[in-house]
Amino acid sequence: AQKITQTQPGMFVQEKEAVTLDCTYDTSDPSYGLFWYKQPSSGEMIFLIYQGSYDQQNATEGRYSLNFQKARKSANLVISASQLGDSAMYFCAMREEGDNDMRFGAGTRLTVKP
Amino acid sequence: GAGVSQSPSNKVTEKGKDVELRCDPISGHTALYWYRQRLGQGLEFLIYFQGNSAPDKSGLPSDRFSAERTGESVSTLTIQRTQQEDSAVYLCASSFVPGGRYNEQFFGPGTRLTVL
Repeated sequence: AQKITQTQPGMFVQEKEAVTLDCTYDTSDPSYGLFWYKQPSSGEMIFLIYQGSYDQQNATEGRYSLNFQKARKSANLVISASQLGDSAMYFCAMREEGDNDMRFGAGTRLTVKP
Repeated sequence: GAGVSQSPSNKVTEKGKDVELRCDPISGHTALYWYRQRLGQGLEFLIYFQGNSAPDKSGLPSDRFSAERTGESVSTLTIQRTQQEDSAVYLCASSFVPGGRYNEQFFGPGTRLTVL
């Protein structure tokens, strides 16, 4: 069964505006971690932000923040003040405690328009 | 080195040939992962190594796929009798903390495999 769902195959945002990329997940494990990665056209995977299932506060890293709604099992990424360099694929991922693998969503392609 | 390195960066092969892909993890990282990323798709977990423990091979798609790792260093992913559906980018990642909830994985640049 698909554990990570990213429903937006593509998103557009105007430069300097904020954008939210959606991610929902499915798990019965109470202990897990959620990750967002950025993949530019060059192909490398760049770690952006992490949220633990027991974390009380939403994670923030610079212009990135994670809107974590545990009851709804959603972990949306918010990028503030978008820049042209933010254009890339964005992947949401989850790792359940005790598991070796990380499950990735299908990704959202973000395009920032000047 | 500073990051995870993979070689070759690109590999074109003919159907039926064997290929070997290499990954050099970050020094000191005990955990190593291989993923496959087909065009326009997310990452599929293939295999996981942690120290000298038996690898987790649960993601390998068929017995044509195998991987080895020497201690906590280099890993090689071998695909035998390649098929066109094996065409993808193969990504390697390593991490320092193998267990627990937080396990940031550092990714290499990938090997783009094309099977003609």
